Amino acid sequence: SQQGEEDPQALSIQEGENATMNCSYKTSINNLQWYRQNSGRGLVHLILIRSNEREKHSGRLRVTLDTSKKSSSLLITASRAADTASYFCATGPGNTGKLIFGQGTTLQVKP
Amino acid sequence: DGGITQSPKYLFRKEGQNVTLSCEQNLNHDAMYWYRQDPGQGLRLIYYSQIVNDFQKGDIAEGYSVSREKKESFPLTVTSAQKNPTAFYLCASSIQGARDTQYFGPGTRLTVL
Repeated sequence: SQQGEEDPQALSIQEGENATMNCSYKTSINNLQWYRQNSGRGLVHLILIRSNEREKHSGRLRVTLDTSKKSSSLLITASRAADTASYFCATGPGNTGKLIFGQGTTLQVKP
Repeated sequence: DGGITQSPKYLFRKEGQNVTLSCEQNLNHDAMYWYRQDPGQGLRLIYYSQIVNDFQKGDIAEGYSVSREKKESFPLTVTSAQKNPTAFYLCASSIQGARDTQYFGPGTRLTVL
């Protein structure tokens, strides 16, 4: 069962531009997490935002959460070629031990 | 170095064979997870364990089995009952559960010959 759905599925931008990815989900959550995956590698955690938080920053990353709309966005500012990767949102619904991952957004940053 | 390791990196299986993928962590995490990833897709949960000697089925457990005899180890067996096992398998761990960050291993790519 898929909880998070990312939009767009693919995004191509020039170095220096900002990249915005969106995630929508269906049920109530404890937190929402964003992960990054370089091709053929494991996932790396980027940021966790709790259901009572609205915005969080980490370096060039900005995450927002709107629980009324059941949506989140990840903004990468001043993108670099090294940001080329797939980005996944994951939601931790209720008190289960599970995170549910979306399908991901593939970001290409052209030098 | 603390972390989570998976072995082997690449694994080839003949039809009808069982194979076991290794996952070890030295982060002292209680919870461990196995995911399957198909090309261009997200992660689907196979099994997870929140404590030693206990584990739960995820969304696609059929054809897979696990054990959790030690806190640091969570091996996954892909049985011959799994009809389409070719995929990228990722193991992860977290302090306790879905409220926590998950730390991922580098993955095992399984190919059926």
